[in-house]
Amino acid sequence: EDQVTQSPEALRLQEGESSSLNCSYTVSGLRGLFWYRQDPGKGPEFLFTLYSAGEEKEKERLKATLTKKESFLHITAPKPEDSATYLCAVQPPPWGGSQGNLIFGKGTKLSVKP
Amino acid sequence: DAMVIQNPRYQVTQFGKPVTLSCSQTLNHNVMYWYQQKSSQAPKLLFHYYDKDFNNEADTPDNFQSRRPNTSFCFLDIRSPGLGDAAMYLCATSIVGTSGFVPLYEQYFGPGTRLTVT
Repeated sequence: EDQVTQSPEALRLQEGESSSLNCSYTVSGLRGLFWYRQDPGKGPEFLFTLYSAGEEKEKERLKATLTKKESFLHITAPKPEDSATYLCAVQPPPWGGSQGNLIFGKGTKLSVKP
Repeated sequence: DAMVIQNPRYQVTQFGKPVTLSCSQTLNHNVMYWYQQKSSQAPKLLFHYYDKDFNNEADTPDNFQSRRPNTSFCFLDIRSPGLGDAAMYLCATSIVGTSGFVPLYEQYFGPGTRLTVT
């Protein structure tokens, strides 16, 4: 069964303390992996798409990387405004049970204290 | 700016009283999705439209229905809401090519509708 697991469930950082969030997946024939940011009471905001192992994408203090079994979201020198839940989602092939629809992890809730 | 809009942002309904949530998009995307998200859980796909083709997830209760009258609008109808249907309902859109491989598949979400059932 295709699965997505994010760790840790919650992460508390001091402002400026760099760290990484993990997204591991068991999907054969991955089409793409997506990172989203979700603020409380709002819809997820698209951050990155990664398609193949070794690929990296960056946006401000965030950097996403992809291997064959997991993805990392690295946060460099975080600020309080980076506090949010970060969701990872994978797109399997269309011929599987999920018909190519995104499979989401439960997310990592990040809190950055000043 | 092109976007996904959901109305209302907050909806309170009574147990068993039908409710309709709406979603509109100015992105001109051909796929629209409805997700249900409960607190601290992953979004759960209810159904999606690929153009006019309706695709229901196997475990979506019959209580949930959807309509897509045109490319821009999509509605979620809950015929008889129960207490367990209280959640955030998210609408999302994406564009899917016709060639098979999809180079652009990220989904763009609206702000959500928070449904409370009393």
